[in-house]
Amino acid sequence: DIQMTQSPSTLSASVGDRVTITCRASQNIRTWLAWYQLKPGKAPKLLIYDASTLEGGVPSRFSGSGSGREFTLSISSLQPDDFASYYCQHYNGYPYSFGQGTKLEIK
Amino acid sequence: QVQIVQSGAEVKKPGASVKVSCKASGYTFTSYAVHWVRQAPGQRLEWMGGILADNGNTKYSQKFNGRVTITRDTSASTAYMEVSSLRSEDTAVYYCAREDDRAGVFDIWGQGTMVTVSS
Repeated sequence: DIQMTQSPSTLSASVGDRVTITCRASQNIRTWLAWYQLKPGKAPKLLIYDASTLEGGVPSRFSGSGSGREFTLSISSLQPDDFASYYCQHYNGYPYSFGQGTKLEIK
Repeated sequence: QVQIVQSGAEVKKPGASVKVSCKASGYTFTSYAVHWVRQAPGQRLEWMGGILADNGNTKYSQKFNGRVTITRDTSASTAYMEVSSLRSEDTAVYYCAREDDRAGVFDIWGQGTMVTVSS
């Protein structure tokens, strides 16, 4: 099974900052990677798929990059609504798996 | 609009079973698969399995094979996930999600259902 590892686990930042989250796969997953945003009590939200394609309606300050085993999610200018948890997920065959998550906190 | 609404929170005793529902609206239910993902307290999201809504074919994570059953009722545009022989480690928020045209990408999620297993 493919293992997904995210870093950091927690990230403290301020409104307006640029932040980057890293996700590593235990084997080559090409670009079969998605990023999701989770907030307590709300439905998770798809942000990016195919490693770098922005889902419709997602603000352009979110971007994704990478291929193979290493991927990043960047937020160019943090807004108050962005403080949440973020998870990467591979879909390079079953079983799908997720990273351990990154909690983005207000500094 | 396209949405998925899940059933409410459950509290169960160890050894019991729980069945969570996931009602879809705003799209053709049989055109997509529905998957189930859970998150135990302090843990990562964990994929459990999925069902093709048109023909009912299922796929499960080996971790849950035998204890989890995913079904659907096309007339009600609803998918179900049942977990049997519950143990405390099954305490988690359970989500259902629509798998869109890009296999493995979950574009619409339910709000989650908290299942607590406690004696």
